Amino acid sequence: SQQGEEDPQALSIQEGENATMNCSYKTSINNLQWYRQNSGRGLVHLILIRSNEREKHSGRLRVTLDTSKKSSSLLITASRAADTASYFCAPSNTDKLIFGTGTRLQVFP
Amino acid sequence: NAGVTQTPKFQVLKTGQSMTLQCAQDMNHEYMSWYRQDPGMGLRLIHYSVGAGITDQGEVPNGYNVSRSTTEDFPLRLLSAAPSQTSVYFCASSYSGGFGEAFFGQGTRLTVV
Repeated sequence: SQQGEEDPQALSIQEGENATMNCSYKTSINNLQWYRQNSGRGLVHLILIRSNEREKHSGRLRVTLDTSKKSSSLLITASRAADTASYFCAPSNTDKLIFGTGTRLQVFP
Repeated sequence: NAGVTQTPKFQVLKTGQSMTLQCAQDMNHEYMSWYRQDPGMGLRLIHYSVGAGITDQGEVPNGYNVSRSTTEDFPLRLLSAAPSQTSVYFCASSYSGGFGEAFFGQGTRLTVV
């Protein structure tokens, strides 16, 4: 299955702390994407990392990819209350995007 | 530039009724998809399209019908609504399907009573 599995299911931290969430998958991939969803709204694309890349940064986001372990991690540094959301990974090797159940991140002020 | 627009935002249906959820995008994307999201769950792919006139089934296609007569529009039809179809429905579009960034609509919250 192309679906990724996020871990942990839920994460609570204080503002200013770093948040790390992980994604594991089973098949070979072309790329892996991370999305954020704020409370019932549509998903917003955060970052795409290709299978030949190991690390990518975007602002306070850092994504790593280890294709030998079939895993990826998303690090949010210096978290803010506004980062409270669900985060989904989507490993992909086809023209479809399949999502897991996500990590629910709660950042307390 | 509106992006991906879904209508309606909210809908209540009676069991057995039919309806069409509308999705339109103005980014000239070839790829469009429909997902459903149940409480506390991720998104499950219902149907997708790689271009006008081409559609395919996703993970949970039963009870839903799609067609793609134009690049811009990708309506989702519920043929005979059931309470199990109570969910939030999201439409998405992208230039290259799973190979690139997808843009999502704001969702349609459907309740079937």
